[in-house]
Amino acid sequence: EAEVAQSPRYKITEKSQAVAFWCDPISGHATLYWYRQILGQGPELLVQFQDESVVDDSQLPKDRFSAERLKGVDSTLKIQPAELGDSAMYLCASSLVVGYEQYFGPGTRLTVT
Amino acid sequence: GENVEQHPSTLSVQEGDSAVIKCTYSDSASNYFPWYKQELGKRPQLIIDIRSNVGEKKDQRIAVTLNKTAKHFSLHITETQPEDSAVYFCAASQYGNQFYFGTGTSLTVIP
Repeated sequence: EAEVAQSPRYKITEKSQAVAFWCDPISGHATLYWYRQILGQGPELLVQFQDESVVDDSQLPKDRFSAERLKGVDSTLKIQPAELGDSAMYLCASSLVVGYEQYFGPGTRLTVT
Repeated sequence: GENVEQHPSTLSVQEGDSAVIKCTYSDSASNYFPWYKQELGKRPQLIIDIRSNVGEKKDQRIAVTLNKTAKHFSLHITETQPEDSAVYFCAASQYGNQFYFGTGTSLTVIP
């Protein structure tokens, strides 16, 4: 069964450093989502792509976060500089088309020290 | 924007009993309502979803009901089993865009 892949699974970084996460959606899935999940809370949408275009990034802190999906396949989420409050699980999800079931990746657990 | 509230935050039931989790939403334009199960350290997995053109959907021991007028929807799990223990999240979306998640319900099924 195809799954969404994410790497790294765990990342520890010092504040003010740059960090990047990678997501490879299920093959053929046009829609890709990045979420941030703080312990004990539900996922919060950061950015949504339709193919290579950003559909929604209204919740993305654009002063330090950036996301790209250059060829409409895999995607990278970057934080520069990282802050202590960025410590969270970063989840990627994909769906075949908008409005259909989202499949989540295993997530990247980020700890900023 | 949309605001999704979820209750209760924790729920303990005896094995074999039913569990009900409720969510309310604020934006009447939301029309897609999925429920996810997240086991400790694992990814969220969709267990059931409902669209605004139906009032109820069932899949074996799991059912979801939707009341558009009152803007609330509920997850019902019958004949609970220990493997149902997990955190459950509801979400609301408009046509698959802008998913807003509830804060989660930690369900414990006591054998």
